[in-house]
Amino acid sequence: EAQVTQNPRYLITVTGKKLTVTCSQNMNHEYMSWYRQDPGLGLRQIYYSMNVEVTDKGDVPEGYKVSRKEKRNFPLILESPSPNQTSLYFCASSGGLAGVWDEQFFGPGTRLTVL
Amino acid sequence: GQNIDQPTEMTATEGAIVQINCTYQTSGFNGLFWYQQHAGEAPTFLSYNVLDGLEEKGRFSSFLSRSKGYSYLLLKELQMKDSASYLCAVRTDQTGANNLFFGTGTRLTVIP
Repeated sequence: EAQVTQNPRYLITVTGKKLTVTCSQNMNHEYMSWYRQDPGLGLRQIYYSMNVEVTDKGDVPEGYKVSRKEKRNFPLILESPSPNQTSLYFCASSGGLAGVWDEQFFGPGTRLTVL
Repeated sequence: GQNIDQPTEMTATEGAIVQINCTYQTSGFNGLFWYQQHAGEAPTFLSYNVLDGLEEKGRFSSFLSRSKGYSYLLLKELQMKDSASYLCAVRTDQTGANNLFFGTGTRLTVIP
């Protein structure tokens, strides 16, 4: 089954404790992206990657890191989480063909709470 | 930058038709998407428009006017399961990437 998976689905942590949220897709997609979703603000892009070893900042990158060592994986790293990073996080992927119809497939989401 | 506006909430009756509007201001427009998102779940793709006009897909249709920076999603024969948030998203080619910019979403409540 074609899908995007994220782990963990739920996480409660404390300020300053490094964490990683994994994202994996099995569709051989080139493009992957991380979003956070907050009430009243909608989905905002954190980082994206157009291919292996190619990553770039989205609209709200502060406090986050990513890596793209393999095509299928795109982990999100919070080196020192803070309470304002409490949010619902989504990973998404697409074929990456910017010139044509190309929907993004979303993972199930990770609900993160930073105390 | 990008600016995308859609109503925050709407209510409609089961069996009726509802239209959700979206207006946008963006550079390098390269397509408009509509996604459906049930509470606590992932967004799922509904429709895509890149040229002006109406795209129909079963009970759902989406319209685009690029000159007016305007789109709408039309839902016919509403069902209770259509209660969800509907997200308008604009794709731009500014960076050469497939980046989407989302509106804040319209929460639709379908009542009996």
